[in-house]
Amino acid sequence: AQTVTQSQPEMSVQEAETVTLSCTYDTSESDYYLFWYKQPPSRQMILVIRQEAYKQQNATENRFSVNFQKAAKSFSLKISDSQLGDAAMYFCAYRSDSWKSSGDKLTFGTGTRLAVRP
Amino acid sequence: ETGVTQTPRHLVMGMTNKKSLKCEQHLGHNAMYWYKQSAKKPLELMFVYSLEERVENNSVPSRFSPECPNSSHLFLHLHTLQPEDSALYLCASSLRTGPAYEQYFGPGTRLTVT
Repeated sequence: AQTVTQSQPEMSVQEAETVTLSCTYDTSESDYYLFWYKQPPSRQMILVIRQEAYKQQNATENRFSVNFQKAAKSFSLKISDSQLGDAAMYFCAYRSDSWKSSGDKLTFGTGTRLAVRP
Repeated sequence: ETGVTQTPRHLVMGMTNKKSLKCEQHLGHNAMYWYKQSAKKPLELMFVYSLEERVENNSVPSRFSPECPNSSHLFLHLHTLQPEDSALYLCASSLRTGPAYEQYFGPGTRLTVT
């Protein structure tokens, strides 16, 4: 079974600075997707960024980028030029590309709470 | 707000009560999901519906009973719950099932079982 580990329960960053959130995962599969989700205090979870495992190039979405290290099974999220609105819980998630192994299941980590200091 | 709404936003119920959670999506999606989010635990997938047919039941106790009357609506019927069932229940939808399709989440229902 796949597992996702976020070892940082809480992080803090100064506004305009850069912060990196860590995520590691365990899988025996070669084809899968990785995601970072953001859950602000209002509780509506939104997708921040997605990475397909077959792509070597790291995904980027504006100020958000990932460092995907497939061999190390690491998938960290970097937030540049942090803004107050970035304060939220961030969840790393894994999804198999194989229906047989896990159906339609997203496996989540326990989350990292990010605080942004003004 | 995304196109996924959930009602009620907060619910307090006794262990002998029967209540229902409602989810509605306005995105034209064909797949809908129920997740349970407990404090300091990963989100847990409970049920998946595709085109109104349940395609996954992730070993959820029978005191949780889902219903999907059409592709826009999803319910979670609750009865004889336990205090450990207190959690945030999130609904999500996607165009189709499968990893290539982004899931859009609702704001959740905060359930407290007394």
